[in-house]
Order: sequence, then structure tokens, then C-alpha cells
Amino acid sequence: GNSVTQMEGPVTLSEEAFLTINCTYTATGYPSLFWYVQYPGEGLQLLLKATKADDKGSNKGFEATYRKETTSFHLEKGSVQVSDSAVYFCALSGGSYIPTFGRGTSLIVHP
Amino acid sequence: DTAVSQTPKYLVTQMGNDKSIKCEQNLGHDTMYWYKQDSKKFLKIMFSYNNKELIINETVPNRFSPKSPDKAHLNLHINSLELGDSAVYFCASSLDPRRETQYFGPGTRLLVL
Repeated sequence: GNSVTQMEGPVTLSEEAFLTINCTYTATGYPSLFWYVQYPGEGLQLLLKATKADDKGSNKGFEATYRKETTSFHLEKGSVQVSDSAVYFCALSGGSYIPTFGRGTSLIVHP
Repeated sequence: DTAVSQTPKYLVTQMGNDKSIKCEQNLGHDTMYWYKQDSKKFLKIMFSYNNKELIINETVPNRFSPKSPDKAHLNLHINSLELGDSAVYFCASSLDPRRETQYFGPGTRLLVL
């Protein structure tokens, strides 16, 4: 079956630091890949997505590139802010009806 | 004009009680989902309906029963609540059950005492 593996957290950074959260996946066919963000006390919301190999999703300074050769979709941001503190989920869908989420990575950004 | 709404937002109840959580979406989506999120933020899919038909029914105690009266609504009924049912339950919807973005509700925080 499909699976998503993302780095364990928490990831703790100072403001303006560079962020990478690793995500790798296992899937048959060509899934769509997503990053969702969950702020404290809220539901998940889409951060960015990519639907085919070599696509780059971007939003709010975050980027991730769909790498089929390495089955990866790593999330990056050049300069994090305190307001980016949240839990980030990598996910895939396609093929089967069952969407697959990673376990989430908590990001804590200090001033 | 909330896209996916859930009621109630908080639910505190005693073991053994029966409770329901309601979900509504106004996005015109065909597919709706229920997820359970534990204290470590792990998200587990429970059920999904597409056009009122059950398409995902994961390994969940049969005390949990979903019901979709129409495409815009998906409710979750829980019988004989147990301590381990304490969690945050999220409803979500998407345009179709494959490859599409999911839109999540704000969650229902269930605490069983």
C-alpha cells in the first residue's frame, strides 16, 4: 500500500533560519503530493501541492518539488517566522481512494 | 461562509454515553471524510463517503457509525464511549476521492471521562 514518511520533530529554529522538512513516499502509479499545515487549535489546511513529476508547489514562501526519481517531496523555506510555528503534514493521494498522511512534523520558531 | 463546519467544537462526556458529531460542507464537493487525530497529532482516516456511498471503512470499532443524509452532510455517531475515544475528530471534504485537495473542518475535541 501507499505510505508517507516524514522527519520526526520537533524541529526548533530561530527566526530567519532556513527550513527543510523531509518527506519520502511509496506509492503505485503517479500520486498527487501535498503539504498541509495545522496551526494550534485549528484544522489542517493546504499549504501547497504538486500533481506530477518535477512540478514545484509554492505558497507563502514555502516550496516543495515532486521528485519521482527519489520519491521525495521535501518542504523548504528560506527564512522562517515565528508565525510559521505549526505542525506540517506531508500527504499523497491517487490510485486508491485512501489518502495517506505522514505523522506530522512540529515546527517551533523562536524569536 | 465557513467551507467545512463541525458541531460541536468541544464535547465532554462520561464513559458509556452515546454522542454524535455533525459536519456540513458548502463547497459542492462529492466526497467527505472523518479522521481521528490523537494527542501526538497522528491522523487516522476512519470513513469516507462519495456521493452518499461509503467508499472507505477503515478498521474502526463498530461503535462508530457514519451517516451521510446528503452530499453536503456527514455525521458520526459513537456508541458506548470509551476513554480511548478521547481525541480530536476532523471532518474533511474534497471534489472527488482521488488526487484532490482536502478541506478540513475546525475539529471536534472529544474528552471522555
